[in-house]
Amino acid sequence: EAQVTQNPRYLITVTGKKLTVTCSQNMNHEYMSWYRQDPGLGLRQIYYSMNVEVTDKGDVPEGYKVSRKEKRNFPLILESPSPNQTSLYFCASSLAGAGGRHEQYFGPGTRLTVT
Amino acid sequence: ILNVEQSPQSLHVQEGDSTNFTCSFPSSNFYALHWYRWETAKSPEALFVMTLNGDEKKKGRISATLNTKEGYSYLYIKGSQPEDSATYLCASRSSNTGKLIFGQGTTLQVKP
Repeated sequence: EAQVTQNPRYLITVTGKKLTVTCSQNMNHEYMSWYRQDPGLGLRQIYYSMNVEVTDKGDVPEGYKVSRKEKRNFPLILESPSPNQTSLYFCASSLAGAGGRHEQYFGPGTRLTVT
Repeated sequence: ILNVEQSPQSLHVQEGDSTNFTCSFPSSNFYALHWYRWETAKSPEALFVMTLNGDEKKKGRISATLNTKEGYSYLYIKGSQPEDSATYLCASRSSNTGKLIFGQGTTLQVKP
């Protein structure tokens, strides 16, 4: 089954404790992206990757890191989480051919709480 | 327009009513316009990706139009059903970046 998976789905952690949220897709998509969703603010892009070893900042990259060492994986790293990073996080992927004009497939979401 | 804006923010209609929402986006360097449907407790699902001025796309009772010169897109739902209740998101991508900018969404509630 074609899908985007994220782990963990739920996480409660404390300020300053490094964490990684994994994202994996099995559709051979070049484009992958991370978003956070906060009430009243909609979906905001954190980082995106056009292909392996190619990453770029979205609108809200501060406090986050990403890497794209393999095509299928795009982990989101919070080196020192803070309470303002409490949010619902979505990973998404799509084809990037034909100029990247392709629909995105979203993972199930990761609800993160930082206390 | 520097951001992607959607209106109205929320909408309540009766079953059988037809409705439409608006998405406004930057017209300069336009590349693609996405529409997604997002049901509560689920993940957003793609409805349409539109790229050409004047484009019209249809999926069942849902259709969308695109005007890239003036920077807007309309989403239409004909004969709304309770299962159409969801938040509808649009997102714009410019040609000089891989960023996808989402609007805040229009939340539709269809009453039986």
